[in-house]
Amino acid sequence: QVQLQESGPGLVKPSETLSLTCSVSGGSITNYYWSWIRQPPGKGLEWIGNTHSTGNTKYNPSLKSRVTISVDTSKNQFSLKLSSVAAADTALYYCARHIGRWGFDVWGQGTTVTVSS
Amino acid sequence: QSVLTQPPSVSAAPGQKVTFSCSGSSSNIGKNYVSWYQQLPGTAPKLLIYDNDKRPSGIPDRFSGSKSGTSATLGITGLQTGDEADYYCVTWDSSLSAGVFGGGTKLTVL
Repeated sequence: QVQLQESGPGLVKPSETLSLTCSVSGGSITNYYWSWIRQPPGKGLEWIGNTHSTGNTKYNPSLKSRVTISVDTSKNQFSLKLSSVAAADTALYYCARHIGRWGFDVWGQGTTVTVSS
Repeated sequence: QSVLTQPPSVSAAPGQKVTFSCSGSSSNIGKNYVSWYQQLPGTAPKLLIYDNDKRPSGIPDRFSGSKSGTSATLGITGLQTGDEADYYCVTWDSSLSAGVFGGGTKLTVL
């Protein structure tokens, strides 16, 4: 059974870069699309972007100038970098695996990132 | 303000049927597939329906999905108190070139 685990700093200073990694266990990262999704406290879900195991990426236009998603198939991981963070980037960040034409069947437990000095 | 519109809340009694609406446009629901998620308090979202009407293994047939035009609907029959959660729809928006979520609907089982 595939499991995802997010990891990274829980506190990031304003204007710095948020970096998270999603480790895939129980299955291979190859031949799938993988997404990052976030949820600000008390609010709804926002799609950040995705990557295929080949490295092909798509980003939410609202974040595109600040987002980089990369994949490391040798480590069975993919990563998120979000630059120039502000308080509005404080959220619970999830990684998820795609299924079908647009669905997410496996989710990590999420990791909370707070942007504060 | 979300691209996909969902009512903020819905309520129903145990054993009853409830439906959740998700309204979009020709650039998102009108031409792409919709999936639905249940988010219990303090937990990650759980996939209920993908590709408009497909249930992943392990999801009971109490849950159903449909799509018509630029709207999609999630249905739950035989409501249980354990179904109290937030429910989200999501699809791809071809104009925005982005995945778009609805704002979510909170289900209260009275």
